[in-house]
Amino acid sequence: DAGVTQSPTHLIKTRGQQVTLRCSPISGHKSVSWYQQVLGQGPQFIFQYYEKEERGRGNFPDRFSARQFPNYSSELNVNALLLGDSALYLCASSFMARDSYEQYFGPGTRLTVT
Amino acid sequence: AQKITQTQPGMFVQEKEAVTLDCTYDTSDQSYGLFWYKQPSSGEMIFLIYQGSYDEQNATEGRYSLNFQKARKSANLVISASQLGDSAMYFCAMRGFYGNNRLAFGKGNQVVVIP
Repeated sequence: DAGVTQSPTHLIKTRGQQVTLRCSPISGHKSVSWYQQVLGQGPQFIFQYYEKEERGRGNFPDRFSARQFPNYSSELNVNALLLGDSALYLCASSFMARDSYEQYFGPGTRLTVT
Repeated sequence: AQKITQTQPGMFVQEKEAVTLDCTYDTSDQSYGLFWYKQPSSGEMIFLIYQGSYDEQNATEGRYSLNFQKARKSANLVISASQLGDSAMYFCAMRGFYGNNRLAFGKGNQVVVIP
């Protein structure tokens, strides 16, 4: 079975631009979470979606938004990009909405803002 | 709020030896979960092992075992019989009682296995 997939793998954007990152969860998983990992740090939680509804939001500005589609895939949008948004963006999928004992991550999208 | 602390400097370990990675956590939740992930240079976070706060036995998965000491709020990862492919960053993470799957991660431990 395919694991969590993310696209694109790498992306270079200019300050002020907008970006959309995509994630497809493991087949059968209904929950998708997004994380930002700045170089040298652990991942930081951005959002979780389950059955197309937001189940959690981290401490990120409103420039960050996300949605989940009926097929459980998800998009993360970041508007008005700043240099500090340069990071590895990771998507994680799980079957359960909460208290999950397993969360599987995709390979990530590496975003560089210049 | 959840807080994970990983303070060990980078570690060098001889191939075939065991290595212990320290993780302490802070939470006011009674129910929580603890995870360890491996992140090689490629960037993907690889799930290694899970321990629930009410699990009485320490979790084990192949060469990985989790030394869970609830009173000390400690969840150390033990990798036995290290292999060259174990060279990576290792992250400890906690899932609290938010009603979701939100994970709080530590800053990670760098492990380099030498032949």
